[in-house]
Amino acid sequence: DIQMTQSPSTLSASVGDRVTITCRASQSISSWLAWYQQKPEKAPKLLIYKASSLESGVPSRFSGSGSGTEFTLTISSLQPEDFATYYCQQYSSYPYTFGQGTNLEIQ
Amino acid sequence: QVQLVQSGAEVKEPGASLKVSCKASGYTFNKYAIHWVRQAPGQRLEWMGWIDAGNGKTKYSQKFQGRVTITRDTSANTAYVEVSSLISEDTVVYYCARGQWTSGNYYFDYWGQGTLVTVSS
Repeated sequence: DIQMTQSPSTLSASVGDRVTITCRASQSISSWLAWYQQKPEKAPKLLIYKASSLESGVPSRFSGSGSGTEFTLTISSLQPEDFATYYCQQYSSYPYTFGQGTNLEIQ
Repeated sequence: QVQLVQSGAEVKEPGASLKVSCKASGYTFNKYAIHWVRQAPGQRLEWMGWIDAGNGKTKYSQKFQGRVTITRDTSANTAYVEVSSLISEDTVVYYCARGQWTSGNYYFDYWGQGTLVTVSS
């Protein structure tokens, strides 16, 4: 199975900050990577697919980059509604696997 | 608008079986796959398998092969996941998600609200 590792596991930031979350795959997944946002007691929400494609309706302050084994999710200017847990997911090969999550909390 | 609505929370005894439903609306059900993903409290998401809602083809994570069955009823626009021989570690939230096909791979563009299943005697 492909292991997905995110860093950091917890990130403290303030409204207006620029933040970056990193996701590393244990082997190359090309650009078959998605990012999801999850709020407490809610289902995940798709933000980014194919490493850098912004899902329709997602604010442009979210962006993704990377290919192969290293990927990043950047939020250019944090808004209050962005404090949540973020997961990366590889869909290059089965079983699809997720990172352990990054909890973005208010500083 | 696309919606996936899941059945309600359940409490099951160890050894029992469970069936969770996922009713789709707002799109052509048989044109997409439905995936099932689960999440234990405070843990990462875990992919279980998928079903092609059109032809009924399934694929499972090897971890769940033999204990999980995914089916669909096209007349009801509903997919199901059935888990047998429940153990305490099956105390999780089950999510269904619509699979968006791209070049042989799926990502998940819409999710159900989740179904909490508690396994306890």
